[in-house]
Amino acid sequence: EVNLVQSGGGLIQPGGSLRLSCAVSGFIVSDNYMSWVRQAPGKGLEFVSVIYGGDNTYYSTSVRGRFTISRDISNNTLYLQMNSLRPDDTAIYYCARAGPTVSTHFDCWGQGALVTVSA
Amino acid sequence: DVVLTQSPLSLPVTLGQPASISCRSNQSLVYNGGHTYLNWFHQRPGQSPRRLIYQVSKRGSGVPDRFSGSGSGSDFKLQISRVEAEDVGIYFCMQGTHWPNTFGQGTTVEIK
Repeated sequence: EVNLVQSGGGLIQPGGSLRLSCAVSGFIVSDNYMSWVRQAPGKGLEFVSVIYGGDNTYYSTSVRGRFTISRDISNNTLYLQMNSLRPDDTAIYYCARAGPTVSTHFDCWGQGALVTVSA
Repeated sequence: DVVLTQSPLSLPVTLGQPASISCRSNQSLVYNGGHTYLNWFHQRPGQSPRRLIYQVSKRGSGVPDRFSGSGSGSDFKLQISRVEAEDVGIYFCMQGTHWPNTFGQGTTVEIK
């Protein structure tokens, strides 16, 4: 059974750092594209980052240079390191499988982790 | 970035009646190999999104056959043949043809 379990959200001051985790069971993280998507309160969905292949990564312009996506093969977990956090980074962050096949393109999601950036 | 525009943004529906949501892109979503990567998702309050449709018209695992997707190029549609109470929530389209992946702004479906 496929399961994505997230952890690591919370309240953080502007300029601070936070790391989100997404522990995966049912498939191998390194064999798939894995993505982070966020949703600001009462708003729509926004792509944040993706990792695929031999540690290839891509970021949205709004987080590039501040956020880092990574994965740990030994514990089959996806991470998002978030630095220099700003109030407009406040959102629920979801991890999701994003490929490589069309049938696995965003077919499973984590439960979400709320990140609140506020003084 | 590719902009996806959904309409309507709010859709009151009657149980048992059909519903339709439009998603238009400002660029063609046809990829080099001829495939079109357009997904539809449903999100209930307090829950994660759930994929309903991928590659324009293919239903995901366990998705009821009352949901169908259609369209081509830059104009797509999600249809619900007979709305049930569990179908309330927000529906999003998403394109995976161009990076970054982008989402429509969402359509809120509620029961009249």
